[in-house]
Amino acid sequence: GAVVSQHPSWVICKSGTSVKIECRSLDFQATTMFWYRQFPKQSLMLMATSNEGSKATYEQGVEKDKFLINHASLTLSTLTVTSAHPEDSSFYICSAMLGLRSYYEQYFGPGTRLTVT
Amino acid sequence: AQKVTQAQTEISVVEKEDVTLDCVYETRDTTYYLFWYKQPPSGELVFLIRRNSFDEQNEISGRYSWNFQKSTSSFNFTITASQVVDSAVYFCALTSNAGGTSYGKLTFGQGTILTVHP
Repeated sequence: GAVVSQHPSWVICKSGTSVKIECRSLDFQATTMFWYRQFPKQSLMLMATSNEGSKATYEQGVEKDKFLINHASLTLSTLTVTSAHPEDSSFYICSAMLGLRSYYEQYFGPGTRLTVT
Repeated sequence: AQKVTQAQTEISVVEKEDVTLDCVYETRDTTYYLFWYKQPPSGELVFLIRRNSFDEQNEISGRYSWNFQKSTSSFNFTITASQVVDSAVYFCALTSNAGGTSYGKLTFGQGTILTVHP
């Protein structure tokens, strides 16, 4: 089946630093990837849609300059949390979509737990 | 606007009991897809099922079954003879093209925490 990886799986950083999270589709090409954020005991909130070779589309209320998304290839999308603060601590999950033929089925990465101290 | 409602925040059952997780959705579009995902304590979402709006056939997969009823905009999930390993958070989700948004953007319900006690 389709496999999506995320790296790192967890990260602790100091307030004010930047953190990059990678999302890779390992055995398929994903034209579209999505980034979600999940707070403890809450649902997933879509942050942005990432299409290869074009700018990401951010959901309302998500700061573009704070959460930089780059979809450099059909198998890699990155999320950079810039100048992280404790309130950015969360579980970040990416997903990759196969496209029309898969009936828009998304495959999710294992998630990255970010803790900002 | 799309919306998915999972009214049951938490459910607790004893092993071997049957349990049904409710999901009610709202969309203006006539073509849409519904999903169920399982999120175990490890955090990784596991895909369980996808159903399109034109296929109202119920589906059974082992101990899992799904009841899709367009008339009531519901897509309920039943686990028969529950097991401790079924303990997880279960999410119902919807994607459609309502309001010009592209397919693939999932709207998730709030999730139902299922705890199966031995």
